[in-house]
Amino acid sequence: DAGVTQSPTHLIKTRGQQVTLRCSPKSGHDTVSWYQQALGQGPQFIFQYYEEEERQRGNFPDRFSGHQFPNYSSELNVNALLLGDSALYLCASSTRTATYEQYFGPGTRLTVT
Amino acid sequence: AQSVTQLDSHVSVSEGTPVLLRCNYSSSYSPSLFWYVQHPNKGLQLLLKYTSAATLVKGINGFEAEFKKSETSFHLTKPSAHMSDAAEYFCVVRMDSNYQLIWGAGTKLIIKP
Repeated sequence: DAGVTQSPTHLIKTRGQQVTLRCSPKSGHDTVSWYQQALGQGPQFIFQYYEEEERQRGNFPDRFSGHQFPNYSSELNVNALLLGDSALYLCASSTRTATYEQYFGPGTRLTVT
Repeated sequence: AQSVTQLDSHVSVSEGTPVLLRCNYSSSYSPSLFWYVQHPNKGLQLLLKYTSAATLVKGINGFEAEFKKSETSFHLTKPSAHMSDAAEYFCVVRMDSNYQLIWGAGTKLIIKP
């Protein structure tokens, strides 16, 4: 049983560019949450997707957007990248009835130069 | 507003001695509380959770935590530290009215041989 997978593992982008990160949830899970973890800090909640819709959003600008597909996989898009967007981006999956019990992927390390 | 405070950024103990990682929260509602662990270059893993059942919660790898409402605390303990426990530990709170998880800044546990 595959756990949560994320791609790519590492990514280097230039300021102003756009990036797309991908996540496949654990088998049987239908809810996907995205987090940003800056170096030395705890994860910050970006948003959560369920039934292909954004269910809740944290304190992130509109440059951060997402999508969930019918197979429950998800994408995180970040436009107009800033140096401050450099971080580890974590995807977590859960079930609708236990959204608090989240299973995390290994993350995508984004570096913006 | 809800928040989580991990009182120590670093905790260093000798192998075989007890571990105590401290966490305080503020909440206007009945919270659900969690501890997650993040080993270097690995994804976040749920250690244990409190969701208004027994106040003493047992988790994986010999860890346990006690919910104390009067002290608004949820400290993580282990009787005897092992080298493999060296990692970053995060205290997390979820409000009943909210899907969002609020994360502490993390405590780095260092185990001395």
